[in-house]
Amino acid sequence: GPKVLQIPSHQIIDMGQMVTLNCDPVSNHLYFYWYKQILGQQMEFLVNFYNGKVMEKSKLFKDQFSVERPDGSYFTLKIQPTALEDSAVYFCASRGQGNNQAPLFGEGTRLSVL
Amino acid sequence: SQLAEENLWALSVHEGESVTVNCSYKTSITALQWYRQKSGEGPAQLILIRSNEREKRNGRLRATLDTSSQSSSLSITATRCEDTAVYFCATDPYMGYKLTFGTGTSLLVDP
Repeated sequence: GPKVLQIPSHQIIDMGQMVTLNCDPVSNHLYFYWYKQILGQQMEFLVNFYNGKVMEKSKLFKDQFSVERPDGSYFTLKIQPTALEDSAVYFCASRGQGNNQAPLFGEGTRLSVL
Repeated sequence: SQLAEENLWALSVHEGESVTVNCSYKTSITALQWYRQKSGEGPAQLILIRSNEREKRNGRLRATLDTSSQSSSLSITATRCEDTAVYFCATDPYMGYKLTFGTGTSLLVDP
């Protein structure tokens, strides 16, 4: 079946560096999401994105975060600069049109900020 | 405080037994969803139950919703080893899928 792919699966960077997390959503999906999950804690909503725009963002979506999907390619989450507390697993999700369409989640990118 | 939370952190059952995971939430909702997350994977939606529904089934799964007590349950009958996972409830205020997940109940199904 259709899958959301996240690249890379694990990223290790030094604090202060920039990182871009990539998400390859299902091809005909229109809504995109990022969630953050710190080890052992619940998954938390960061942002949703539709029609080229951020629709909503949570207080976790700091000024250092940005999202885009240039020309229908990867849906990306960029963090610049990174901080130690950004270490977590980041899950991307996409879904199609209609309220009955459940989001499909990727397997996550584990980000380790040293 | 948690907007959605499961009532038990971990459960263990033997294969073939039935199990129920409970969840309570604190906000008004248009729907509540149950997700399963296996180790190393993203969560997968199991059941979506709308606020005007009291029960929803999906194969061996049965979800209930009580909006007066703001609680929900997910029951799994005839459990299998592959049901081993973390089960989350998630609330959705307006069907926009800005989901608030609970902390999850870890279910272990022993052979």
